[in-house]
Amino acid sequence: NAGVTQTPKFQVLKTGQSMTLQCAQDMNHEYMSWYRQDPGMGLRLIHYSVGAGITDQGEVPNGYNVSRSTTEDFPLRLLSAAPSQTSVYFCASRDRGEKLFFGSGTQLSVL
Amino acid sequence: EDQVTQSPEALRLQEGESSSLNCSYTVSGLRGLFWYRQDPGKGPEFLFTLYSAGEEKEKERLKATLTKKESFLHITAPKPEDSATYLCAVQGAAGNKLTFGGGTRVLVKP
Repeated sequence: NAGVTQTPKFQVLKTGQSMTLQCAQDMNHEYMSWYRQDPGMGLRLIHYSVGAGITDQGEVPNGYNVSRSTTEDFPLRLLSAAPSQTSVYFCASRDRGEKLFFGSGTQLSVL
Repeated sequence: EDQVTQSPEALRLQEGESSSLNCSYTVSGLRGLFWYRQDPGKGPEFLFTLYSAGEEKEKERLKATLTKKESFLHITAPKPEDSATYLCAVQGAAGNKLTFGGGTRVLVKP
């Protein structure tokens, strides 16, 4: 099992550009989520999904869109990047025991 | 709103010097308290889940305990490879949202 795979690992954007962070898991987990991690603020939940076709907002959803067309994939879209979205982004899936499995992260810089 | 506060923010230990990390929380209907370890440049890795006050769990040099208001992660006789950031998180009654604390950065010097 590869676990949770995130791409790209690093990305630099200009203000106003759009992009999609990819996340895929091969553990057949129904629950998937996106977090951002900023110094001194810990991990904050952006969006989550409890299954294909079902998504909901987390703590900091503004500026981000998600969709879940398959169990395996949960992409995160930045519609119009802003410097405040500079962060490290983690995708995670959850097993039935409610343990989260994290990807290795995407370091995003918005100039 | 669920809240998690971890202290201290950073901890420097000599190899073999035992210590404890604190995680204070407020949550409506605790479904679980989680401890994760995060190495630089990597995603967090699961360590423990605690479900009710009085529960304890151990893994090698780590032991996690839980009360109604806080959890402790005890590191006994740490080694340099225990250096990492340790994250605490709670899951409330809603079930689908995990709230994390800011973490404790632990550095163990040989």
